[in-house]
Amino acid sequence: DTGVSQDPRHKITKRGQNVTFRCDPISEHNRLYWYRQTLGQGPEFLTYFQNEAQLEKSRLLSDRFSAERPKGSFSTLEIQRTEQGDSAMYLCASRPPAGTGSLEQYFGPGTRLTVT
Amino acid sequence: GEDVEQSLFLSVREGDSSVINCTYTDSSSTYLYWYKQEPGAGLQLLTYIFSNMDMKQDQRLTVLLNKKDKHLSLRIADTQTGDSAIYFCAELYTGTASKLTFGTGTRLQVTL
Repeated sequence: DTGVSQDPRHKITKRGQNVTFRCDPISEHNRLYWYRQTLGQGPEFLTYFQNEAQLEKSRLLSDRFSAERPKGSFSTLEIQRTEQGDSAMYLCASRPPAGTGSLEQYFGPGTRLTVT
Repeated sequence: GEDVEQSLFLSVREGDSSVINCTYTDSSSTYLYWYKQEPGAGLQLLTYIFSNMDMKQDQRLTVLLNKKDKHLSLRIADTQTGDSAIYFCAELYTGTASKLTFGTGTRLQVTL
């Protein structure tokens, strides 16, 4: 499978617990995005990596959220002290390097988080 | 501003044409996209249009862009039951991230 993969696909956690999600982009893609999609809404941008550098963060990304991409390949998104409002689908997308002419962001299947 | 709006629901009969509409507010957006999302699946890019174009056709899909009115539409010809899904329009903001701003999505229901 050469697409974007995310793990786990579903996560149920209790309020106050920490959770971590993983995204594996398409192998030659150096640009990686995280989005959050709540029920009945479109995805909202959270953060962007180019290689291992986190270059942009949305104001939606509170202090409880942290994202990393230590070797410029896979990325993790951690949420500390989860709240019920964190319940959402977390989507990862990747893009080829600039200059390749590709305007598409390739999305993974998402991780659905439910905070009880 | 970063505001993209869509109607929530559209129902069409199989074989008819579907038209899904979208309005956006930021005239500086360079590309506009249509994505499809089926239950349990990720977002699939259907097509996109550059902001200096007013129409793009790709097989059963026709995208119309009215930049003056900031209105984008997606027409699906000969709609099939497999077209039932949620359709999102999105704006691309060029910049450091070139991030997408999505609309709320339109649920298309195709009936027999």
